Amino acid sequence: DAKTTQPTSMDCAEGRAANLPCNHSTISGNEYVYWYRQIHSQGPQYIIHGLKNNETNEMASLIITEDRKSSTLILPHATLRDTAVYYCIVRGNAGNNRKLIWGLGTSLAVNP
Amino acid sequence: NAGVTQTPKFQVLKTGQSMTLQCAQDMNHNSMYWYRQDPGMGLRLIYYSASEGTTDKGEVPNGYNVSRLNKREFSLRLESAAPSQTSVYFCASTSAGSYNEQFFGPGTRLTVL
Repeated sequence: DAKTTQPTSMDCAEGRAANLPCNHSTISGNEYVYWYRQIHSQGPQYIIHGLKNNETNEMASLIITEDRKSSTLILPHATLRDTAVYYCIVRGNAGNNRKLIWGLGTSLAVNP
Repeated sequence: NAGVTQTPKFQVLKTGQSMTLQCAQDMNHNSMYWYRQDPGMGLRLIYYSASEGTTDKGEVPNGYNVSRLNKREFSLRLESAAPSQTSVYFCASTSAGSYNEQFFGPGTRLTVL
């Protein structure tokens, strides 16, 4: 079973920040939060991951609440090419916990 | 680097036919995975190989077999294809030394009639 809950779809205006929420209220102490995206039937693409601190890379920022029960992926200046399905996944980093369990994700539409 | 490559890109089979989906990676990754994705669904893990010489079942292994031929290659075989196996198949790989960022291939679109 997927351990995360995401909105089915979201819209964002081009050039604005896209904030994608994820609920993972049953996350355990050794589980990381990962974000991937899938653009129109291509293979999924890794975006970012974190444990408890906020993280930033060239693609996005990840904000994790202090209790770690939810997180937000931020695309600071969304472009039309960011239109995709975004998946939030929680998983451990050892042994069989390395397997990713995928939910349905959030379909983000960036509009001109 | 080509990353993760998959062949074929498209395939149509008749019920009962067999075929092998090929996957190769040139990143020296230890772990490799096979997923299927049905319309409007997330990915489901079929089989994975944590390292060369080992394979394990995922969520939906029935009707499939795998072979980790060497460190680079991980194949998925359908012995007797069924219409329920119509799907898009993705192969992925990851390095044991990283935080397991998975790199995905472009997918194989399989239709079973």
